[in-house]
Amino acid sequence: AQKITQTQPGMFVQEKEAVTLDCTYDTSDQSYGLFWYKQPSSGEMIFLIYQGSYDEQNATEGRYSLNFQKARKSANLVISASQLGDSAMYFCAMREAGRGNTPLVFGKGTRLSVIA
Amino acid sequence: DSGVTQTPKHLITATGQRVTLRCSPRSGDLSVYWYQQSLDQGLQFLIQYYNGEERAKGNILERFSAQQFPDLHSELNLSSLELGDSALYFCASSPTPRSAYNEQFFGPGTRLTVL
Repeated sequence: AQKITQTQPGMFVQEKEAVTLDCTYDTSDQSYGLFWYKQPSSGEMIFLIYQGSYDEQNATEGRYSLNFQKARKSANLVISASQLGDSAMYFCAMREAGRGNTPLVFGKGTRLSVIA
Repeated sequence: DSGVTQTPKHLITATGQRVTLRCSPRSGDLSVYWYQQSLDQGLQFLIQYYNGEERAKGNILERFSAQQFPDLHSELNLSSLELGDSALYFCASSPTPRSAYNEQFFGPGTRLTVL
């Protein structure tokens, strides 16, 4: 069964600094996708970035990058040049490929607070 | 704006009642997923529909049911409500073709409060 572990319930970062949010996963499938979502205090879930298990390069989307270490089964999110608007809950999620459009399995999230 | 719409945004009701949450997926998306987010359980998958048919079931209680209509909108029915059903309910849709690499787009959620 799939499992996502986010070990940091809360993180603080100074504005303009970089921060890494940890995510480890467990799956027996060889083909899977890893995702990060942001949930601000307003409640909506905002898709940030994804990484496919066969992608050789780490995914990047603007200030977001995903540090994918397949052998260690980790998919850490790196946010560069933090902004006050980055304060939110961040969820790591995965889905397996074998059975088509499968549901996402989420971690418990990390609350990031950006300090001015 | 993800393109996924959910109504209502907020719902307050009493224990024992029944409510219906509605979701319209993004144009062209055939897959609809329902998730429940509560403080103690986190984000949990409830049920998935694909082009009108139930595709997968997660931690969905027997008191809950869902369906997807021919126009692809979906409804989640919650009955005999209990205090513990208070949560944020998300609908998400996913583009085709089938792939692990298709992200799911989430609606704004319906916040259900059971008093």
